[in-house]
Amino acid sequence: GQQVMQIPQYQHVQEGEDFTTYCNSSTTLSNIQWYKQRPGGHPVFLIQLVKSGEVKKQKRLTFQFGEAKKNSSLHITATQTTDVGTYFCAGHLWGYKLSFGAGTTVTVRA
Amino acid sequence: DAGVIQSPRHEVTEMGQEVTLRCKPISGHDYLFWYRQTMMRGLELLIYFNNNVPIDDSGMPEDRFSAKMPNASFSTLKIQPSEPRDSAVYFCASSFQGYSEAFFGQGTRLTVV
Repeated sequence: GQQVMQIPQYQHVQEGEDFTTYCNSSTTLSNIQWYKQRPGGHPVFLIQLVKSGEVKKQKRLTFQFGEAKKNSSLHITATQTTDVGTYFCAGHLWGYKLSFGAGTTVTVRA
Repeated sequence: DAGVIQSPRHEVTEMGQEVTLRCKPISGHDYLFWYRQTMMRGLELLIYFNNNVPIDDSGMPEDRFSAKMPNASFSTLKIQPSEPRDSAVYFCASSFQGYSEAFFGQGTRLTVV
């Protein structure tokens, strides 16, 4: 089964609101990556976190890596319709095996 | 660079037929990954290669699935014989190094009827 867990599975957001999606691993990760997949598209890399406690921002997106390197979060502020899609976290388990979480599918109400 | 190229984009085949999916990774990338995506199981890693050598194929569901990488610029995923439950989107991805970002192809949508 999946070793990288992600919640919630679905997120319905009013335009302009904030939301957070969470990622947890049963093992310590060397790094965590986040991807976005638009409906009908393919996963596209957003960012990679490597250091314990690391925080990175991309405009309205804030990514955090936990102190124990077992969890991560993605926080989006002031959600826009362009944020629609599925957000995946992914971690390297056992070498270079890149495993993905189940994803959080985001829909936005205008 | 054109990115990761997969073919065909769509494939419809009858149960029992052989299906071959193709992938051309980004030039210079040493790692190649094959994923399968379904609503029920999400993105599953099937197999990955490093420098054309299969490293981990523990995600390959059955002996009906096989993957090869004869050279650095080409890989195939073959299903023989195909079954309706193999219907999914199959993605190929490549990365420059083991821990670097993965670049995905557009995917092949396989339907087995």
